[in-house]
Amino acid sequence: QKEVEQDPGPLSVPEGAIVSLNCTYSNSAFQYFMWYRQYSRKGPELLMYTYSSGNKEDGRFTAQVDKSSKYISLFIRDSQPSDSATYLCAMSDSTGNQFYFGTGTSLTVIP
Amino acid sequence: GAVVSQHPSRVICKSGTSVKIECRSLDFQATTMFWYRQFPKQSLMLMATSNEGSKATYEQGVEKDKFLINHASLTLSTLTVTSAHPEDSSFYICSARRDGGGETQYFGPGTRLLVL
Repeated sequence: QKEVEQDPGPLSVPEGAIVSLNCTYSNSAFQYFMWYRQYSRKGPELLMYTYSSGNKEDGRFTAQVDKSSKYISLFIRDSQPSDSATYLCAMSDSTGNQFYFGTGTSLTVIP
Repeated sequence: GAVVSQHPSRVICKSGTSVKIECRSLDFQATTMFWYRQFPKQSLMLMATSNEGSKATYEQGVEKDKFLINHASLTLSTLTVTSAHPEDSSFYICSARRDGGGETQYFGPGTRLLVL
């Protein structure tokens, strides 16, 4: 079983839709949870960073962590064509020595 | 803050030559940096963890003599692909973890290597 599972998609939505991206994990030691956005031929860009369970909102983006279910989500409201990219979840234990990425979900927002 | 640069952004070389890629944390210190490789439409694959002042830790299956890593300062790590071959053609991305700044990794823009 992989440490982190993420549906690769591809996911295609119309402009303005709410997008939900998810990852599940198996290691209960994970404490830090991150979402990265990667445009084609570019390095990943940190979008959201959350410690432990709860919600965090930043503009149109909301990250949710449910440690009891080992499930994290990224919601994008009012999606824009510029949101079209691959979204990677990542998580780490408290030491940072265990750092795992999901495989990434490819998102296309259609104008 | 938390900007990471990579140089060069793109390199084309002949088979058998060596290529050096630099990774710099521009506005923070990073004792630990990471080197990844990414093939088209695939996820990041961790190659090695680079620690300032000590030897890098390589992931299983990554040849340390082929992919030389030097982390000589708190803001610079280099990856040298020695005797490159066409199968080494890939997108190489580095990341840095800010000292005292939690466990988040900040990524560079990547280096595209093409070996002819």
